[in-house]
Amino acid sequence: AQSVTQLDSQVPVFEEAPVELRCNYSSSVSVYLFWYVQYPNQGLQLLLKYLSGSTLVESINGFEAEFNKSQTSFHLRKPSVHISDTAEYFCAVSKASGSARQLTFGSGTQLTVLP
Amino acid sequence: DAGITQSPRHKVTETGTPVTLRCHQTENHRYMYWYRQDPGHGLRLIHYSYGVKDTDKGEVSDGYSVSRSKTEDFLLTLESATSSQTSVYFCAISESAAGLISYEQYFGPGTRLTVT
Repeated sequence: AQSVTQLDSQVPVFEEAPVELRCNYSSSVSVYLFWYVQYPNQGLQLLLKYLSGSTLVESINGFEAEFNKSQTSFHLRKPSVHISDTAEYFCAVSKASGSARQLTFGSGTQLTVLP
Repeated sequence: DAGITQSPRHKVTETGTPVTLRCHQTENHRYMYWYRQDPGHGLRLIHYSYGVKDTDKGEVSDGYSVSRSKTEDFLLTLESATSSQTSVYFCAISESAAGLISYEQYFGPGTRLTVT
């Protein structure tokens, strides 16, 4: 079974400052990794994913995450945040084999960008 | 956005009553999922389906049943609702039936259920 730990439940940061949201996972098999974002009263939207290849993946709105197999981490970073980035962010993992495509989520990190 | 709708969007019901939540997709995706979201727990998988009439249990399936009689509809039933089932329920879909493998899931807008 897989598990995901998001180390910070709340991250306040000032506008235009950098931010890192931490995610560690545990699995005995190869995994795929995802970051989802949830704005208030909405469903989850995929932000970025790592399936294979380059360990650094980027989203269209300036976020990036790096897969680190030795540290079993997939931290999310942005060099300069905006007020509109305020949301809850979820890290998720699935097995890289098999057909179930089940996702295991972390407990979430609330990012609040302050003016 | 993926064509996923959930109904109802909000529901208040009494303990002991049956409740059915509906997820409808227009994307012809093979997999459908039901999650519940609770503070401090993230999203937890209740049940999922990998085809018409093919379903399996997730992490927190006790007290819930599902049915999928058509590709586009996935129903979640609480046979006898309890206060511990007060939550926000999300449906998700993945993997196009056209054979394009997609590992990410696309989520519906959610149903807020309150059991009093």
